[in-house]
Amino acid sequence: DIVLTQSPGTLSLSPGERATLSCRASQSVASSFLGWYQQRPGQAPRLLIYGASNRASGVPDRFSGSGSGTDFTLTISRLEPEDFAVYYCHQETFGQGTKVEIK
Amino acid sequence: QVQLLQSGAEVKKPGSSVKVSCKASGDSFSSNAVSWVRQAPGQGLEWMGGIIPMFGVTDYAQNFQGRVTISADESTSTAYMELSSLRSEDTAVYFCARGPYSSGRYYDFNSWGQGTLVTVSS
Repeated sequence: DIVLTQSPGTLSLSPGERATLSCRASQSVASSFLGWYQQRPGQAPRLLIYGASNRASGVPDRFSGSGSGTDFTLTISRLEPEDFAVYYCHQETFGQGTKVEIK
Repeated sequence: QVQLLQSGAEVKKPGSSVKVSCKASGDSFSSNAVSWVRQAPGQGLEWMGGIIPMFGVTDYAQNFQGRVTISADESTSTAYMELSSLRSEDTAVYFCARGPYSSGRYYDFNSWGQGTLVTVSS
């Protein structure tokens, strides 16, 4: 079974800074099926990125995804207040999540 | 875009079962797969299983094999998740989510229900 390991567990940043989140798979995975989700407190998750690098409908262009094989990255170019949340990668299973918190 | 409306919160005794519903509106129910994802308090997301309503085909995560049953009623555009032999560790928010299905994979969950809190307590 695939295991997705996200790092770091918590990222402490200020608004306007750049966030780089990592998702590493235990074996090579198809980029077509790699997604990233954002979850704010008390809300359902929201699809941000599909196919490793495609923004879902309505997602601001400050969010970008990249990677292939076993290593994938979600980048938020300039953090807005509403971006402080937990982010999960997913391919058959979910990673354990990265919390982006205000420094 | 499809909207998913889940049934309300439940409180259950250990050893009992719970059945949560997820009604879709605004799009063709059968055109995509429905997955169930749970989240224990303060924890991450866990995929439980999914169904392709058009074919009635189901898949279950190994952790839930034998305890979970996912079904769908195309006539009412509703999916169901039943979890049996409940224990305290099953206390969680249960979400339904829609997305495509391909090559044995459920992915790109682009619509989510609001979540249903299931509390298991004696």
